[in-house]
Amino acid sequence: QVQLQESGPGLVKPSQTLSLTCTVSGGSISSVGYYWNWIRQHPGKGLECIGYIDYSGSAYYNPSLKSRVTISVDTSKNQFSLKLTSVTAADTAVYYCARDYGMLYGFDYWGQGILVSVSS
Amino acid sequence: EIVLTQSPGTLSLSPGERATLSCRASRGVSSTYLAWYQQKPGQAPRLLIYGASSRATGIPDRFSGSGSGTDFTLTISRLEPEDFAVYYCQQYGSSPQTFGQGTKVEIK
Repeated sequence: QVQLQESGPGLVKPSQTLSLTCTVSGGSISSVGYYWNWIRQHPGKGLECIGYIDYSGSAYYNPSLKSRVTISVDTSKNQFSLKLTSVTAADTAVYYCARDYGMLYGFDYWGQGILVSVSS
Repeated sequence: EIVLTQSPGTLSLSPGERATLSCRASRGVSSTYLAWYQQKPGQAPRLLIYGASSRATGIPDRFSGSGSGTDFTLTISRLEPEDFAVYYCQQYGSSPQTFGQGTKVEIK
């Protein structure tokens, strides 16, 4: 059974960098065809795709966040990570990691989410 | 980007009733790339439907999806108590992938 688990600080100061890690268990992050996604949900709001990294290490970022986002993968730890720079209160959200296969079947496995608040 | 608009915003129904949720896209979406999710408070979304009409693993057959082009529908044939939640549609055929704003199905 595949499981994803987000980890990282729950509080980040304005202008600093938000850094989160998603640890994947029950499957290899290097398996061909899989895409590893970051999604966020502002309090009481809908879902926003931040970007993804694929099995080959190629990343895609939502243009609305592209200048501030980096997604990377550490295959030795079976983890992928999100860095979001120059955060403001508008980046306060629950951050989820999720998996999809071949961009064909939707996001079938999700982490439980981590609330990150941006405040001084 | 493709904007998905869900309606209604809130659906008030009783257990046993039929729920029909709508998702309209700002431009055509291949039905291959349309999904529906259920989210309960404090939980991550759960995949219900992918490819517009295929149920994900373990999803009861009271959930069904249909549609093509710009209009898609999620139907819950008979609401069970555990079905009261927020439902989101998602298109994943065009980058950036986008979600609708959600429909809340609440107990009447």
